[in-house]
Amino acid sequence: GAGVSQTPSNKVTEKGKYVELRCDPISGHTALYWYRQSLGQGPEFLIYFQGTGAADDSGLPNDRFFAVRPEGSVSTLKIQRTERGDSAVYLCASSPSKGTGELFFGEGSRLTVL
Amino acid sequence: KNQVEQSPQSLIILEGKNCTLQCNYTVSPFSNLRWYKQDTGRGPVSLTIMTFSENTKSNGRYTATLDADTKQSSLHITASQLSDSASYICVVSGRTGANNLFFGTGTRLTVIP
Repeated sequence: GAGVSQTPSNKVTEKGKYVELRCDPISGHTALYWYRQSLGQGPEFLIYFQGTGAADDSGLPNDRFFAVRPEGSVSTLKIQRTERGDSAVYLCASSPSKGTGELFFGEGSRLTVL
Repeated sequence: KNQVEQSPQSLIILEGKNCTLQCNYTVSPFSNLRWYKQDTGRGPVSLTIMTFSENTKSNGRYTATLDADTKQSSLHITASQLSDSASYICVVSGRTGANNLFFGTGTRLTVIP
């Protein structure tokens, strides 16, 4: 497709389980961002990739969270030992290397930890 | 501290009426400011971008203004429609080419018939 694709759209898991969320950015976009959004709040920055490398991971809340982008395209956000407080919508956005810096968001992955 | 504050937090208006949403920021240096529209259960979509030298910009029934001196922006919606019901998020970029984006918490707009 032409837009940013995120899977799964919904994920329900039990506390303590491991979760992977996938983001397929717009082809050719070198910048990729992960955000977390709780109900009624704006997106909260998690991590930013420029190409294959994590240029800024200062938003990751703790070492249970990790993200990769091995080939500079698809990215996976990994959450270990999930906690109920991890429940949120995880948004992925991509942006071209040149231009006005507009972010193109996916529809998000809604994670619910029971 | 770099911050973006939006008001009101929520707003309910009748279909056909106009409304104005506010965004105040303390981000410095300033690169640009964007307004995003986020429908329920969807990702945000860019409505308009304002750079330092721009005072006003329109996109259909949406008009954004920017006062870089007072660090304030507004989004005016004219002749509101039911489909305008969404959250509107103000995002300020602090430095071109870097990951320096500051998000407001959004204004939740509900348009009722």
